[in-house]
Amino acid sequence: AQSVTQLDSHVSVSEGTPVLLRCNYSSSYSPSLFWYVQHPNKGLQLLLKYTSAATLVKGINGFEAEFKKSETSFHLTKPSAHMSDAAEYFCVVSDANTGTASKLTFGTGTRLQVTL
Amino acid sequence: EAGVAQSPRYKIIEKRQSVAFWCNPISGHATLYWYQQILGQGPKLLIQFQNNGVVDDSQLPKDRFSAERLKGVDSTLKIQPAKLEDSAVYLCASSPGQGVSGANVLTFGAGSRLTVL
Repeated sequence: AQSVTQLDSHVSVSEGTPVLLRCNYSSSYSPSLFWYVQHPNKGLQLLLKYTSAATLVKGINGFEAEFKKSETSFHLTKPSAHMSDAAEYFCVVSDANTGTASKLTFGTGTRLQVTL
Repeated sequence: EAGVAQSPRYKIIEKRQSVAFWCNPISGHATLYWYQQILGQGPKLLIQFQNNGVVDDSQLPKDRFSAERLKGVDSTLKIQPAKLEDSAVYLCASSPGQGVSGANVLTFGAGSRLTVL
């Protein structure tokens, strides 16, 4: 069975300061891990993905995440927050490899608030 | 590349009524998913199709929910009769077929928001 735990339901940062959104996973196999972002009234957009290649993954809009197997973590970071980053962020796990269409398991989400 | 299209974007119905949602995936994507996202929660998979066959419907409440993808392209999700707890956003997603690199990377539509009164 696979699962993800997003450790913070809400994170608030000031514009220009670093962002850290925390995620821990549980998986029986070598997992694929993703971060998706959801802006209000918009669909989910893929930020980045880890599929057993480099452990430090760079995504869109300056976000990156590091896969740490020893800590079963996949935290999302950004050096400097922008107002447009305010959204809901979901950490997602899949037991399947990149060539297999498989069920994704979503975390409960972290709402990122960016203040002036 | 056109994205995943869904309609309607919003629907309000009374409990015990029926509703249907439509999804048109990205052209060429063999796998189609329906997710339910209740307010404050992460999306939960309802059903997964590979072409026109069902791969996983283990979390679909089959007494009231049904879905089809007759020609392996568009899909319809139906709820009959609706309950108050069905109020949610219904997300459709698609991905390349099994065995294709990137098969587990989903592209989502904007969703259909259902309110049951």
